[in-house]
Amino acid sequence: GESVGLHLPTLSVQEGDNSIINCAYSNSASDYFIWYKQESGKGPQFIIDIRSNMDKRQGQRVTVLLNKTVKHLSLQIAATQPGDSAVYFCAEGLMDSNYQLIWGAGTKLIIKP
Amino acid sequence: EPEVTQTPSHQVTQMGQEVILRCVPISNHLYFYWYRQILGQKVEFLVSFYNNEISEKSEIFDDQFSVERPDGSNFTLKIRSTKLEDSAMYFCASSAEGLISYEQYFGPGTRLTVT
Repeated sequence: GESVGLHLPTLSVQEGDNSIINCAYSNSASDYFIWYKQESGKGPQFIIDIRSNMDKRQGQRVTVLLNKTVKHLSLQIAATQPGDSAVYFCAEGLMDSNYQLIWGAGTKLIIKP
Repeated sequence: EPEVTQTPSHQVTQMGQEVILRCVPISNHLYFYWYRQILGQKVEFLVSFYNNEISEKSEIFDDQFSVERPDGSNFTLKIRSTKLEDSAMYFCASSAEGLISYEQYFGPGTRLTVT
């Protein structure tokens, strides 16, 4: 069936380095993607989104890349800080719909001092 | 900054008992949601609610679950007869509009433990 998944369950990165979190999706009809950050003991928090008519979108210290050819999504975090430690989820859906997003399994980002 | 709040933060109940999880969405939001997250797993959609009706529900949201907006501020999730597998974090969320491109704001969650 259609699914969203993550390649790596845990990612350890040195503080100050860049982090790249990957996500694969299989529904070619999906045209909207979101990255969420979930810190320990908290609910998910929206980070950045991207629509399928774009390949790249930048936010503050974060960049999302979308490769529709291979159905791959990535989240890049520049100059990783201790506050970036969290589980990151990607989610996919159909933008102009009320149908709910399909969430991926999550990647835990660990920042090494 | 407005935020979604949830009570209690942790609920322990015995199997077969009824539980009610409470949420106060952001005041000017019209769309409300419940999600479940079993420990260490992904977030799963349960139900969306708009205009005092369920808009969409997942396969998880069976007859044991119900939602209600009993007044102008609270949004509740009731589980009639809890099972061990209902143990999870339950997140409430709200949004200003129903399309998925509108940001959903999540509460801090209620940890439900069924013994």
